[in-house]
Amino acid sequence: DQQVKQNSPSLSVQEGRISILNCDYTNSMFDYFLWYKKYPAEGPTFLISISSIKDKNEDGRFTVFLNKSAKHLSLHIVPSQPGDSAVYFCAASKIRNTGKLIFGQGTTLQVKP
Amino acid sequence: EPEVTQTPSHQVTQMGQEVILRCVPISNHLYFYWYRQILGQKVEFLVSFYNNEISEKSEIFDDQFSVERPDGSNFTLKIRSTKLEDSAMYFCASSVGDLGGYTFGSGTRLTVV
Repeated sequence: DQQVKQNSPSLSVQEGRISILNCDYTNSMFDYFLWYKKYPAEGPTFLISISSIKDKNEDGRFTVFLNKSAKHLSLHIVPSQPGDSAVYFCAASKIRNTGKLIFGQGTTLQVKP
Repeated sequence: EPEVTQTPSHQVTQMGQEVILRCVPISNHLYFYWYRQILGQKVEFLVSFYNNEISEKSEIFDDQFSVERPDGSNFTLKIRSTKLEDSAMYFCASSVGDLGGYTFGSGTRLTVV
């Protein structure tokens, strides 16, 4: 089941620069997309979400972009900080916030000081 | 900040034994979920629970699994006869149904030996 894919297992950026994490999906029925951040030995922590009727949502340093025609979304973190180093998961749902989430494999972000 | 609490944090069990994983969701949340993550793999949906019944379950959630909300505050996942391949991190999550995304617990690491 590869409905949500994060093709980059890891990403390394310098502190202060932009981090761009990418996610692709195949199911056009997905209506809602979320990004989670996960530290070792902790559960995923919600970061930001976007509905399929929008193409951008911004919250502080985090912006999510959705390109429905390409079935692609991305998370931008600007500026990146060392504390952002974690595993980032993209997830999708057919029902906003009450449906099951389909997760990508995750991308490990390392922000170097 | 309210959180989802899971106990125990780590459980080791013999193959064939029954285990119960416990979760205390956030008190005003209405939707409850179990997910698991086998080491090195994606976070996978197991089951969702709403209004005291299962609303959706995955093909992983076979007859060996059951969920219960016995007393209005706890939410449990029971595995009747554990197999080696049940070894994973099990995450409980809850949602009130708004735009905030799920809240996940820190997980229970289940090791079946």
